Amino acid sequence: GAGVSQSPRYKVAKRGQDVALRCDPISGHVSLFWYQQALGQGPEFLTYFQNEAQLDKSGLPSDRFFAERPEGSVSTLKIQRTQQEDSAVYLCASSLGGAEKKLFFGSGTQLSVL
Amino acid sequence: GENVEQHPSTLSVQEGDSAVIKCTYSDSASNYFPWYKQELGKRPQLIIDIRSNVGEKKDQRIAVTLNKTAKHFSLHITETQPEDSAVYFCAAIHASGGSYIPTFGRGTSLIVHP
Repeated sequence: GAGVSQSPRYKVAKRGQDVALRCDPISGHVSLFWYQQALGQGPEFLTYFQNEAQLDKSGLPSDRFFAERPEGSVSTLKIQRTQQEDSAVYLCASSLGGAEKKLFFGSGTQLSVL
Repeated sequence: GENVEQHPSTLSVQEGDSAVIKCTYSDSASNYFPWYKQELGKRPQLIIDIRSNVGEKKDQRIAVTLNKTAKHFSLHITETQPEDSAVYFCAAIHASGGSYIPTFGRGTSLIVHP
């Protein structure tokens, strides 16, 4: 594809519902990152994959958050039992990896928990 | 881990003026410093980056300077135009053992008045 694709673009969930957010990175990109961006703030790191390996998940705010990238391409961020404080834009970014560190971002999923 | 501070949080200038945004980082091993521009409701887009082996890089009206000793880097925009209005984020990246986590500043909202 031409760029990083995320779906859905918008998601409204009732408190307590589970949600799944999808990220399609640029083809061939080894590294994939998930960030959480609250309104008026910078992207906050959640987790990082290199191919299918989740190398760092130190930014996940609680055990309700889970991410996977089983085949080293598409990634899914799952949030269980959503809470109002989970409302944010979730950004996915990919990079070629190795010496190339330029990040390419998706348009994000805006999650609103009511 | 890395900590990136960004100032100012808001910057208002007249069209044609220059704008400067400053960032500091904490990890002296960080070696790559990109800048992203995010327009309202859109994805962050890379506008310029600098690696730790150079002190300055310029691309038309945009330049970035890096002071490794002081651990700070700055974005300079000359001859600002209304379309430069956006939120700008700096980031610092420390690559170690094939793994790296980009850490972002909190952003600067630049407003260019016609």
